[in-house]
Amino acid sequence: GQQVMQIPQYQHVQEGEDFTTYCNSSTTLSNIQWYKQRPGGHPVFLIQLVKSGEVKKQKRLTFQFGEAKKNSSLHITATQTTDVGTYFCAGRSGGSYIPTFGRGTSLIVHP
Amino acid sequence: DTEVTQTPKHLVMGMTNKKSLKCEQHMGHRAMYWYKQKAKKPPELMFVYSYEKLSINESVPSRFSPECPNSSLLNLHLHALQPEDSALYLCASSQAPGVLDTEAFFGQGTRLTVV
Repeated sequence: GQQVMQIPQYQHVQEGEDFTTYCNSSTTLSNIQWYKQRPGGHPVFLIQLVKSGEVKKQKRLTFQFGEAKKNSSLHITATQTTDVGTYFCAGRSGGSYIPTFGRGTSLIVHP
Repeated sequence: DTEVTQTPKHLVMGMTNKKSLKCEQHMGHRAMYWYKQKAKKPPELMFVYSYEKLSINESVPSRFSPECPNSSLLNLHLHALQPEDSALYLCASSQAPGVLDTEAFFGQGTRLTVV
């Protein structure tokens, strides 16, 4: 079945440093979504990427979808303590509307 | 209203108890989901309801019994659970199945402890 690998599992950064998490799929994805889960919270939708090579920005967050639609990344510029949480990618393949979640990357920002 | 509301927020139950988790959304979504999430793990899909009918059961033990009384409500009935079933149970909803470009809205979850 479809697998979505996400790395790294944890990332410690000093406030102001950049952060990147990567997702790779074993199959071509129809789209990929990104969610953020704060400690003690629930996943919250950030963005969806659909097109090959797509790049979307939300303030300090930049999301990319690979040309082959098998990989994606989330980059945060100049992290802040409010960025703390676990970032999950969730990819869909074929005609399925059920996403497969990556294992998540936990971001820890040190002030 | 873009909320998915789950009750209760916390639940402690014994292994012989019967309890139910409830989920409600008023966004007109026709796909509703139950996920189980253990600490430091991604959400793990349990059940999917599509137009109020169970469409996916990810080989979940029968001690978990889902129910979808109408398009806005989703329940998860619990009976004879084990301590290893302790987890955060998340409800989610999304637009009608078959619409690929759709996000999932998650509820705040029920943190379940089985003693």
